[in-house]
Amino acid sequence: NAGVTQTPKFQVLKTGQSMTLQCAQDMNHEYMSWYRQDPGMGLRLIHYSVGAGITDQGEVPNGYNVSRSTTEDFPLRLLSAAPSQTSVYFCASSFGQTPAGYTFGSGTRLTVV
Amino acid sequence: GQQLNQSPQSMFIQEGEDVSMNCTSSSIFNTWLWYKQEPGEGPVLLIALYKAGELTSNGRLTAQFGITRKDSFLNISASIPSDVGIYFCAGHGSSNTGKLIFGQGTTLQVKP
Repeated sequence: NAGVTQTPKFQVLKTGQSMTLQCAQDMNHEYMSWYRQDPGMGLRLIHYSVGAGITDQGEVPNGYNVSRSTTEDFPLRLLSAAPSQTSVYFCASSFGQTPAGYTFGSGTRLTVV
Repeated sequence: GQQLNQSPQSMFIQEGEDVSMNCTSSSIFNTWLWYKQEPGEGPVLLIALYKAGELTSNGRLTAQFGITRKDSFLNISASIPSDVGIYFCAGHGSSNTGKLIFGQGTTLQVKP
C-alpha cells in the first residue's frame, strides 16, 4: 500500500514550457486535491475532484489544468510555466468528504527559470 | 473567499517549554484540523475537531475548537527537539467537497 505517490520529486522548467505533475493513490479514495505551498502562505487549493470525471477549481486555478479519468490518478498540467509557479506542489486524497481522512503525498518541488 | 489567520508565524523555544498557537477565521467552520509538516514531506494530521467547544488531546498535544466556530488553538506541552516542524491549522466548511482551507503555518524550532 503506497498511499499517495507524486512524481517527479524535483523539476526545473524554463518559462513557457509545459509539463504534467503526476499523482496516484492506491486507496480507492474518491476525493483528490492539488495544493501549492509557498513560504508564509500555507497551502492553497489549486483544483480538486470528488470522483472520476468530476473536477472543480480551487483558490488559485489559473495556469493549471486537471483531469480525472480514473479513480487512482489526478494529474496536474502546467500549460505554459511562469516563474510565479515556482512552488512546492502537494497532492492529497480522501476516502470521503471527511477532511480528517486526507493523506498527502510527499510533494513535487518545481522551479521555473 | 475564506481565509485563516494563523499566529505566531514562527517560534524559537527551549526544550521543555510549552507552546501555544492559534488560528482565526472570518467564516464559520464545521471541522478544524491541525497538521504537522517535516522537511521534504507532506503534512500529517495531528488532531481533528468536529464540535464547537471540543477539546481533544493526542499525547502532549491538545487542541480546542472555539465556541464561535471561527477559531482553534493548539498547545504542545513539554516540547522536545522532534517537535520541530511547521504546524498548520485547516478548516472545513459546510460544503460537501472535502475542500480544506489552510492557515499560513507556524514554524517551530526547539533548542535542546
